[in-house]
Amino acid sequence: DSGVTQTPKHLITATGQRVTLRCSPRSGDLSVYWYQQSLDQGLQFLIQYYNGEERAKGNILERFSAQQFPDLHSELNLSSLELGDSALYFCASSVKDRVVETQYFGPGTRLLVL
Amino acid sequence: AQTVTQSQPEMSVQEAETVTLSCTYDTSESDYYLFWYKQPPSRQMILVIRQEAYKQQNATENRFSVNFQKAAKSFSLKISDSQLGDAAMYFCAYRSAYENFGNEKLTFGTGTRLTIIP
Repeated sequence: DSGVTQTPKHLITATGQRVTLRCSPRSGDLSVYWYQQSLDQGLQFLIQYYNGEERAKGNILERFSAQQFPDLHSELNLSSLELGDSALYFCASSVKDRVVETQYFGPGTRLLVL
Repeated sequence: AQTVTQSQPEMSVQEAETVTLSCTYDTSESDYYLFWYKQPPSRQMILVIRQEAYKQQNATENRFSVNFQKAAKSFSLKISDSQLGDAAMYFCAYRSAYENFGNEKLTFGTGTRLTIIP
C-alpha cells in the first residue's frame, strides 16, 4: 500500500458525460501528479500540482482540468468524454527521501467510456 | 525532451533463474534519476528500484539490481532468483534532477512484460 488513495476504482460512463476522479496524497506530500495509461499511449503525464498551485502541464486535453485543494487532495475533471478517454488514470504523490524525490502511485481509477 | 526506450516488449524466464530487462534513455542533462516500476495484473504501479545519476555505484534492492551505464545511457534491471510473483509489466522511468517547472514529471518507457515459467 503506497499510502496514496484514489476513488472511485472503476467508472463506467457514456460519451459526452463529465466525471471527477479524486486523489488523496500520502500524508505530508505536497506534490500531486496525474498520469493517464491507455493501451496505445502508455503512461503519459497530464498535470502536476504543488501545494495547491498548478506547477506543470503535460499532454492534458482542454476538456480535462484539475485542482488541488487546501487539504492537498486533488481532483481530475474529465468532460465531454470520448471513447478514446477510456484509460487507467493514476495519481502519484511525491516525497523527497534524502536526495531523491520519489513518486508513489495510487491504485488508479479505471475509466470506461461507452 | 527526454525519451526512454524499452526495446523488449516481452521477456520470459524460468523460475529461480536470472533475467535482465533493458532500458535506454536519451537526455542532454547531466543530473537525473532513473526508476524501475513494476505493474502486476492488479495494475498498481510499484516502485522497484531507483538510481541517482551522480552515483557510480549500482543500486540494489534484495533480488533486484541495476546496471547503470551513464555514458551509454543504459539502465538495465536484473532480477535474480525469479519468483512467480515477479510476473508483471516493468516500466523504466526518467526524472530530471533540475527542479524547474515541468521537470519533475516522470517520463516512462513503453514497458516490458515479464512472464515467469514455473
